[in-house]
Amino acid sequence: DQQVKQNSPSLSVQEGRISILNCDYTNSMFDYFLWYKKYPAEGPTFLISISSIKDKNEDGRFTVFLNKSAKHLSLHIVPSQPGDSAVYFCAAPRSNDYKLSFGAGTTVTVRA
Amino acid sequence: NAGVTQTPKFRVLKTGQSMTLLCAQDMNHEYMYWYRQDPGMGLRLIHYSVGEGTTAKGEVPDGYNVSRLKKQNFLLGLESAAPSQTSVYFCASSADRYQPQHFGDGTRLSIL
Repeated sequence: DQQVKQNSPSLSVQEGRISILNCDYTNSMFDYFLWYKKYPAEGPTFLISISSIKDKNEDGRFTVFLNKSAKHLSLHIVPSQPGDSAVYFCAAPRSNDYKLSFGAGTTVTVRA
Repeated sequence: NAGVTQTPKFRVLKTGQSMTLLCAQDMNHEYMYWYRQDPGMGLRLIHYSVGEGTTAKGEVPDGYNVSRLKKQNFLLGLESAAPSQTSVYFCASSADRYQPQHFGDGTRLSIL
């Protein structure tokens, strides 16, 4: 049962434009969400997080938006840079145990 | 600062062979995790540990065993390797379940 879903496996965007990555979740008990970035042959690295008490969190070029009523979050990258080309995972820790549920990932390609 | 180190980085096994993957972290984290990543499925939790001497099952524990004899090390064992266990394995650690997990660079395992 995949509780965190990323329905877009890939996204291609031109350098300098905005990248918008989407993530939906089914478990209303999730109260904290994270985005990870992964380059080939490397492990995922933490990018940005958001608590359910907020609807927006910003860190430089990266902003995460949370819509609790829709059970939806999105990651905006503005402006997109070639170094942003990677796989992005959204994830949420389950409140009743220690498990982190991951989405399947979205591969972002930034074109020069 | 090494962070999370996984050994080996690559391995090819024959069906039925056994092996152990080693994960070491130097951040004094209590929590450690083993994941596998397969195409289109994100990261799935195999086993995890919430402290030295403790282990617990994740989403896909069958065919694997783990041990956490020392706080800094988390070992993943394959008792009798099967082709279905061909995957990329990631180890991660965190200070607690709401802190971002730090990942190693992965072990690419092929079972023939």
